[in-house]
Amino acid sequence: GNSVTQMEGPVTLSEEAFLTINCTYTATGYPSLFWYVQYPGEGLQLLLKATKADDKGSNKGFEATYRKETTSFHLEKGSVQVSDSAVYFCALIIAAGNKLTFGGGTRVLVKP
Amino acid sequence: DTAVSQTPKYLVTQMGNDKSIKCEQNLGHDTMYWYKQDSKKFLKIMFSYNNKELIINETVPNRFSPKSPDKAHLNLHINSLELGDSAVYFCASSQVYLAGGLSYEQYFGPGTRLTVT
Repeated sequence: GNSVTQMEGPVTLSEEAFLTINCTYTATGYPSLFWYVQYPGEGLQLLLKATKADDKGSNKGFEATYRKETTSFHLEKGSVQVSDSAVYFCALIIAAGNKLTFGGGTRVLVKP
Repeated sequence: DTAVSQTPKYLVTQMGNDKSIKCEQNLGHDTMYWYKQDSKKFLKIMFSYNNKELIINETVPNRFSPKSPDKAHLNLHINSLELGDSAVYFCASSQVYLAGGLSYEQYFGPGTRLTVT
C-alpha cells in the first residue's frame, strides 16, 4: 500500500532559523506530493505541491523538491517566523479524485 | 466567500446519540471527501463521492453513513455514537478534470470537532 513517513515533532526553533521537515513515501505508482499546513484551531491549507520528479513546489518562502530516486519530499524554509508555528502534513495521491494519504504531521513551534 | 464550509464547528454529545455533520462547497467541484483526524493529529480518509456516487468507502463502521443530496453537499450521519468517535472531521472537495488536464488538489473545510461524552 501507500504510506508517508515524516519526522516526528515537535520541532522548536527560534525566529529566523532554518527549518527542514523530512518526508519520505512509499507508493504503488507515480504519486503527486503535497505539503499541507494546519494552523492552531484551523483546517488544512494546501501549502505547496509537486506532480512529477524534480519538480519544486514553493509558497510563502517554503520549498520542497520531488526526489524520485530517494522517494522524498522534504520541506524547507530559510528563515521562519512566529506565524509559521503550525502542524505540517506531507501527503501523496496516486490519481486525481483518489484519497490523500497523509504522514503523521510535524508540529513546529517558532519562538521569538 | 467560504469555499468549503462545515456545520457545526463544534459538536458535544453523549454516547448512544445520533448526529449529523453537514458540508457544502461552492467551488463547483465534482468530488467530495470526509477525513477523520484523531487525537494524535493522524488524518485518514473515510469516504468520497463523485457526482453523488460513492467512490471510496474505507474500513469505517456502518454506524457512519454519508449522504450526498447533490454534488455540492456531502453530509455525514453517525448513529449510536461511541467515545472513540471523538475526533475532528474534515470535509474536502476537488475537481478532477480541468481545462488544462487533471487536478490533484483537494480543498479542506475548517473541520468539525466532535466530542462524545
